[in-house]
Amino acid sequence: DIQLTQSPSSLPASVGDRVTITCRASQGITRYLAWYQQKPGKAPKLLIYAASTLQSGVPSRFSGGGSGTEFTLTISSLQPEDFATYYCQQLNSYPLTFGGGTKVEIK
Amino acid sequence: QVQLVESGGGVVQPGRSLRLSCAAYGFTFSRYSMHWVRQAPGKGLEWVAVIFLEGDNKHYTDSVKGRFTISRDNSKNMLYLQMDSLRADDTAIYYCARHFYNSASRWFDSWGQGTLVTVSS
Repeated sequence: DIQLTQSPSSLPASVGDRVTITCRASQGITRYLAWYQQKPGKAPKLLIYAASTLQSGVPSRFSGGGSGTEFTLTISSLQPEDFATYYCQQLNSYPLTFGGGTKVEIK
Repeated sequence: QVQLVESGGGVVQPGRSLRLSCAAYGFTFSRYSMHWVRQAPGKGLEWVAVIFLEGDNKHYTDSVKGRFTISRDNSKNMLYLQMDSLRADDTAIYYCARHFYNSASRWFDSWGQGTLVTVSS
């Protein structure tokens, strides 16, 4: 099974900060990686697919990068509505797996 | 507008069964593979199972193999998860999600609101 390791698990930040979350895969997954945002009591929401493609309707302050085993999600200027938990997911092979999550919280 | 609506959750005793349903609206259901994903209270996301277009090809996470069965009825635009021999660690919110893909990658582009399953005596 492919393991995804997200870091950090918790990210205290302030409005306007640039934040970066890293997701490392235990083996190469080319660009079969997606990022989701989840707010309390809500379903996950797709942000990025194919490692770096922004889903329609997602603000351009979100960006993704990487390929192979190392990936990043960057929020260029954190907004109040961005405080949430973020998950990476690999879709290279079954069983599909998610990273452990990164909670972006108010500093 | 794509919409997925789960139902069927509830409180069930260990060892008993439960069937979850996911109703699909706003798209041609038979053209999409579908997934179940769960989230235990306060924990992260865990992929559970996938069923491909005609329902003949399925995959499961190891912890549910032999206990859970994913199925679909394309004539009714419905996805199901039959959960047998339930255990306390199956307690979670269960989401259905639509599989989307292009030549470069795959992703889950739509999710339901989830249904809570609590396994407790």
